[in-house]
Amino acid sequence: NAGVMQNPRHLVRRRGQEARLRCSPMKGHSHVYWYRQLPEEGLKFMVYLQKENIIDESGMPKERFSAEFPKEGPSILRIQQVVRGDSAAYFCASSSGGNNEKLFFGSGTQLSVL
Amino acid sequence: SQKIEQNSEALNIQEGKTATLTCNYTNYSPAYLQWYRQDPGRGPVFLLLIRENEKEKRKERLKVTFDTTLKQSLFHITASQPADSATYLCGAGNTPLVFGKGTRLSVIA
Repeated sequence: NAGVMQNPRHLVRRRGQEARLRCSPMKGHSHVYWYRQLPEEGLKFMVYLQKENIIDESGMPKERFSAEFPKEGPSILRIQQVVRGDSAAYFCASSSGGNNEKLFFGSGTQLSVL
Repeated sequence: SQKIEQNSEALNIQEGKTATLTCNYTNYSPAYLQWYRQDPGRGPVFLLLIRENEKEKRKERLKVTFDTTLKQSLFHITASQPADSATYLCGAGNTPLVFGKGTRLSVIA
C-alpha cells in the first residue's frame, strides 16, 4: 500500500529556470495539499486541491507559482523563473476527505536554486 | 492573522520522564488540532487528532489535551525514550491545516 510519492527527492535549478515537483497521493485520496518548509521554520501552507480544482491557494505566491491536480496523473507544483529564495523543502500531503481528516505526507522534494 | 505558536523551539529531557509540549493559537477557532512527528529529512507523520468538543485523547504513551478557553493544546509523552527524539508539529484546522514551527525534542539516555 504505497504512501504519498513525491519526486524528485532532490532538485537543483539555476536562477531563472523552471522547477516541476510531482506528487502522487495515496490510493483513494482525492485531496492534495502542498506545503513549504524552510530551515528552522514550520510548514507553510501553499495550496489545497481536489481533482481538477483548486480549493484554496491563499498561501501561494501570486507570481511564478502554480499548481494543478489533473483528472489523471500526479499533482504538479510548478515554479517558474526560480530565485534563490525558492530554495526549500516542498512537502505534499493527501487525505481522503476535507475537514477533520489526518494528512499523509510524502518525503518531500528539496529544491536548491544555485 | 491566524497564529499557531509552539512555545519551545527545543526541549531536552531525561529518559523515562514525561515530555510536555505546548501549542497555543490566536485569532482562530479551530475545529480540531492535530499533532505530527517529523524526523530529519522526512515528511511529518500523523500522531493524534483532537476535536474542539473533546478534552483529552490518548494513544499508548501519548496524550493530548485541548482547552478552548485557554486556546491551548498540550501534548504529553510519558516514559520517554531516546527513540522519541524528533520534531513535533502542532497543526490547527479547519481545512487547510495551519502548523506551528515545531518543538525539537531530545530525550537523553
